[in-house]
Amino acid sequence: SQQGEEDPQALSIQEGENATMNCSYKTSINNLQWYRQNSGRGLVHLILIRSNEREKHSGRLRVTLDTSKKSSSLLITASRAADTASYFCATDPTVSNSGYALNFGKGTSLLVTP
Amino acid sequence: NAGVMQNPRHLVRRRGQEARLRCSPMKGHSHVYWYRQLPEEGLKFMVYLQKENIIDESGMPKERFSAEFPKEGPSILRIQQVVRGDSAAYFCASSLGTASYEQYFGPGTRLTVT
Repeated sequence: SQQGEEDPQALSIQEGENATMNCSYKTSINNLQWYRQNSGRGLVHLILIRSNEREKHSGRLRVTLDTSKKSSSLLITASRAADTASYFCATDPTVSNSGYALNFGKGTSLLVTP
Repeated sequence: NAGVMQNPRHLVRRRGQEARLRCSPMKGHSHVYWYRQLPEEGLKFMVYLQKENIIDESGMPKERFSAEFPKEGPSILRIQQVVRGDSAAYFCASSLGTASYEQYFGPGTRLTVT
């Protein structure tokens, strides 16, 4: 079953603004990963945060993880038109019928306009 | 280091035909995962394989679908007697290990059943 749920479903901002996407999940996890998918393309791995980490940075990306609230956020600073894509969180649960599968949410569709 | 390769990128089949999707993992990766993505949806896990072994096929439909990862050559996802509901994007991912390892995705194969 899908575990990650992204919020909002869609987000439209202007270039230079920051974009924040949230992800909630239901059960305990080993790690949480964020991916980007451009329209009609494959997934690009952005960042992995482990369950014992609270924050991680990669370039203009900042990911936080709150295991007590079972939630994560992805912040993209100083957004660019090229950031337009769908963003998915994927969890690697500690207990699962599919012990090796990532559980994906439905994604947040981000539109960055010039 | 080439990424995950999938072919074909687009595949059109008539109802009742067979579809064969191929995936070559990243160099050095021996763990392969197949996911399916329906329009406007996140990815759903199908099967996890290591060389010559199916480790977890809990997400695979019981009938018509099969997967293999032979000692030599790519992983194959095979769909027999395709139906319109099989139309989707099929993604392959590979990783170095299981828990807490990033999964790297290929560009996907878009299957259309007419």
